[in-house]
Amino acid sequence: NAGVTQTPKFQVLKTGQSMTLQCAQDMNHNSMYWYRQDPGMGLRLIYYSASEGTTDKGEVPNGYNVSRLNKREFSLRLESAAPSQTSVYFCASSELGVPYEQYFGPGTRLTVT
Amino acid sequence: GQQLNQSPQSMFIQEGEDVSMNCTSSSIFNTWLWYKQDPGEGPVLLIALYKAGELTSNGRLTAQFGITRKDSFLNISASIPSDVGIYFCAGHQGNKLIFGTGTRLQVFP
Repeated sequence: NAGVTQTPKFQVLKTGQSMTLQCAQDMNHNSMYWYRQDPGMGLRLIYYSASEGTTDKGEVPNGYNVSRLNKREFSLRLESAAPSQTSVYFCASSELGVPYEQYFGPGTRLTVT
Repeated sequence: GQQLNQSPQSMFIQEGEDVSMNCTSSSIFNTWLWYKQDPGEGPVLLIALYKAGELTSNGRLTAQFGITRKDSFLNISASIPSDVGIYFCAGHQGNKLIFGTGTRLQVFP
């Protein structure tokens, strides 16, 4: 049981490049989340998917898009990367109806130059 | 956006000491949670609190849900080197968690 997995673990992009961060969970959870973590800022919610087929904006959605591919997978796309998107990105999942008990992946460290 | 205020921002303590940290908000939450993040890893849930005044323990960790529902406290007793990490509080709001800014704990032998 791997829990929440994320790929890649590290990535360096040039300004303007695009990329997709992948996330998968094997806990049969309905809800999935994408956060970014910046020094001194804690974790801020980018987008979430309460259940398969739905997505909603979080606190900092600008510059990102998401796709809930199926119940297991939730991807985050940066269409045109900017230096302000340099951060550590975490994916999380939870049971439907228990959104406060979230299980996190190991993170993707992204640098945009 | 809303964030929770955690204090202290960082702590440097000796192994065996007790640790206290807290989290405050201008909003009321119905659920408070405490997470720990080890270096290079994602946060892991330590304790969940579901009602005002609740006191819950998990081994050497004890957390309390404040009576006003606007704050929470975490205590670690008899600290050990593996307690090193960042501790985050979080409040549940709708479908989302609002996270605190974190308390970084260093434990020296």
